Amino acid sequence: SAVISQKPSRDICQRGTSLTIQCQVDSQVTMMFWYRQQPGQSLTLIATANQGSEATYESGFVIDKFPISRPNLTFSTLTVSNMSPEDSSIYLCSVGRDGVNIQYFGAGTRLSVL
Amino acid sequence: AQKITQTQPGMFVQEKEAVTLDCTYDTSDPSYGLFWYKQPSSGEMIFLIYQGSYDQQNATEGRYSLNFQKARKSANLVISASQLGDSAMYFCAMREGHLIQGAQKLVFGQGTRLTINP
Repeated sequence: SAVISQKPSRDICQRGTSLTIQCQVDSQVTMMFWYRQQPGQSLTLIATANQGSEATYESGFVIDKFPISRPNLTFSTLTVSNMSPEDSSIYLCSVGRDGVNIQYFGAGTRLSVL
Repeated sequence: AQKITQTQPGMFVQEKEAVTLDCTYDTSDPSYGLFWYKQPSSGEMIFLIYQGSYDQQNATEGRYSLNFQKARKSANLVISASQLGDSAMYFCAMREGHLIQGAQKLVFGQGTRLTINP
């Protein structure tokens, strides 16, 4: 398995502000993924973060709103910019070890925007 | 089109009974993987079981087994001898493409909320 540390675990933010979520993995991984889970909904992939290249965003998600950094093979950040109440969700990072089928998730960040 | 369909929004089961959670999928890729995750109220996603499209046998992990029917494109999760701690949301997910080619993106179903009654 993989040990994934995600911070903060929860936050309450004012609209118009930004929040940066951190994801730290206990070993090097090629790909890291960021998902959003809106209240009562399933998980939706925001973007895939590869080290040394620009993140790949899914349809409906843009870099200006969700900038991602991937400075090394064990760390990534997701920023939720210019937040509105519609951004209230659980944000989860996950990793897939090279050659291993299983994708592991961090504990998630519960974000509430007032 | 919906890639992963979970038709049971909620299920209620008596403790110690077996429970089957349904999942059907849609893909034209011959190489794919199917996953089940458990999400308790804390929000974390816990990996339960994995089935590859080329696997000959159904996957099993302790009390969890996956009833894989390839022709029907179904991958139902079976939990034997349910426990109170099994109460949670359960998500079926699929990865299309071969892992060796770097395909790891997961698509999730809408989930089934399982409640175990004492």
